[in-house]
Amino acid sequence: DTAVSQTPKYLVTQMGNDKSIKCEQNLGHDTMYWYKQDSKKFLKIMFSYNNKELIINETVPNRFSPKSPDKAHLNLHINSLELGDSAVYFCASSHLDRDNEQFFGPGTRLTVL
Amino acid sequence: KQEVTQIPAALSVPEGENLVLNCSFTDSAIYNLQWFRQDPGKGLTSLLLIQSSQREQTSGRLNASLDKSSGRSTLYIAASQPGDSATYLCAVRYHGSGNTGKLIFGQGTTLQVKP
Repeated sequence: DTAVSQTPKYLVTQMGNDKSIKCEQNLGHDTMYWYKQDSKKFLKIMFSYNNKELIINETVPNRFSPKSPDKAHLNLHINSLELGDSAVYFCASSHLDRDNEQFFGPGTRLTVL
Repeated sequence: KQEVTQIPAALSVPEGENLVLNCSFTDSAIYNLQWFRQDPGKGLTSLLLIQSSQREQTSGRLNASLDKSSGRSTLYIAASQPGDSATYLCAVRYHGSGNTGKLIFGQGTTLQVKP
């Protein structure tokens, strides 16, 4: 299936731990994004990579570090997890220089205890 | 400040009714506007994308319009069905964000279609 996929779907961890979320797209897109959806369901951009280059870096704690090993993958590593990091994290991809229609993954629900 | 607002936050209608969801944005300098659907516990599904040069887009029972001068978009759903129940999100790609693809999302309208 052509899609944006994320792993894991659920992540439950203790405060202070370090965790990673992985994202892959097989749509041939050149740009990938990380969004955070908070408890009120509001979606906000965190990071974006175009052809493996960071192009969006919103005001996000530096405990969050994205990595894009190639155009089809974008990972998110979070250090020293805090209670406030609990949210659903969505990966998305698009062709930036075409219509930029963004396609989203199923989300990773992170719960920090 | 570049924002996107969706009103109402929630809407409940009987099956078969035609309905309109509203989205407003604060700056007319946009690249495009995208409507999404989100089912509970799921990701976002892209419904329609309207480029800044377009006035409307249609897909099946859905029709999205764009009026940049007034900073508004509407999503029209014809002959609503219980399966249309979901949260509908509007997102705008503003020129001010540069060539980054950054989308600014509204808070969404949660639609319930009653059988």
